Amino acid sequence: AQKVTQAQTEISVVEKEDVTLDCVYETRDTTYYLFWYKQPPSGELVFLIRRNSFDEQNEISGRYSWNFQKSTSSFNFTITASQVVDSAVYFCALSEEGAQKLVFGQGTRLTINP
Amino acid sequence: EAGVTQSPTHLIKTRGQQATLRCSPISGHTSVYWYQQALGLGLQFLLWYDEGEERNRGNFPPRFSGRQFPNYSSELNVNALELEDSALYLCASSYSHDLQGEAFFGQGTRLTVV
Repeated sequence: AQKVTQAQTEISVVEKEDVTLDCVYETRDTTYYLFWYKQPPSGELVFLIRRNSFDEQNEISGRYSWNFQKSTSSFNFTITASQVVDSAVYFCALSEEGAQKLVFGQGTRLTINP
Repeated sequence: EAGVTQSPTHLIKTRGQQATLRCSPISGHTSVYWYQQALGLGLQFLLWYDEGEERNRGNFPPRFSGRQFPNYSSELNVNALELEDSALYLCASSYSHDLQGEAFFGQGTRLTVV
């Protein structure tokens, strides 16, 4: 069975601090895909990144970086030098090969205070 | 290019009534997905339509149904509404039936059942 756990329900930091959002997943498949989405107050989910299970390379995109570790079944997301505009709910999600659906974690509400 | 559009933005219904939610995918996308985001339950997969047919559904009762039209737009119908159906309903679309690609979400329809 698939499961995604985001243990941090809420995080609040001061602007310019670095912050890491944790994501732990469970799957029996060897081929799967991991995602991060951002949900601003407007409601839509904004795609941030997709990784497949065979690519453990860490990725950096501007102030965002992702650390994928199969050994610990984790796919953590770090925001460097956080900004107020980063405030949102962030979701980690998993999709198994051929399962055409996303299984989401419960989300982490991130608040960046000025 | 227009993104995924959903209507209405907000919908208030009385328990026992029926609700119809609409989704227009991004031009060229043939797959449409519906997710429910209920308070305390996170984002849950509801339905997937591709090329006019229902391809998969999540763990929801039959009173949740829908369809996809020849132009790939989609309707989600919820019959015999219950208070617990109050949630944000998100629609997503993608180029193919493989959600392992990047899926684009709309802003959602907030359904309130009173």
